[in-house]
Amino acid sequence: LQLQESGPGLVKPSETLSLTCTVSGGSISTSSYNWVWIRQPPGKGLEWIGSMFYSGTTNFSPSLRGRVTISVDTSNNSFSLTLNSVTAADTAVYYCARGGYNWSPFDTWGQGTLVTVSS
Amino acid sequence: DIQMTQSPSSLSASLGDSVTLTCQASQDINFYLNWYQQKPGKAPKLLIYDASYLEPGVPSRFSGSGAGTHFTFTINSLQPEDIGTYYCQQYDNFPLTFGGGTTVDLK
Repeated sequence: LQLQESGPGLVKPSETLSLTCTVSGGSISTSSYNWVWIRQPPGKGLEWIGSMFYSGTTNFSPSLRGRVTISVDTSNNSFSLTLNSVTAADTAVYYCARGGYNWSPFDTWGQGTLVTVSS
Repeated sequence: DIQMTQSPSSLSASLGDSVTLTCQASQDINFYLNWYQQKPGKAPKLLIYDASYLEPGVPSRFSGSGAGTHFTFTINSLQPEDIGTYYCQQYDNFPLTFGGGTTVDLK
């Protein structure tokens, strides 16, 4: 299984960050795993953003709830992250990952993509 | 939120040393604790899940133990490729949270 993030590397403040994670080597349409976004600000630790099962069950970090959406696209075997009203504090490397049936562990990760919020 | 506190924040050790890291949860998380290794510029890699189970393909010099609020992660006989930052992560309760990490380097 491989995961690959894609999307703009630069987003302006107050605009929307959109990233896609393409899954290869396995189907996204499984109830055994969920699909996860995690971020890491430069030089800092890891922050869980949210997770989604193919069935539609989701869970998000309270610190981001209201700004974040995760969706699954079975036709492209991918899932996406949308984060609204971004600020400089949202600058980070964004990782997509696969989570286990009990939401964890995160056993497969994408390589990560740096998103900078700046005008 | 459940706070995960890792100690030490960094350590230096020699090749062949046994290294032990700790992770303390702010409340009982049973055994719902995972350990990840992150090398500079790379994505984290799962090493240990459910506190003590070795992920397939991970060398047996890595081990984990603990339950409740106190967990340990050990590297037996430190190798050059073990240099990096190690994170614990709980999944007993939402939001899922990580510890701040322990950076291991060579003395």
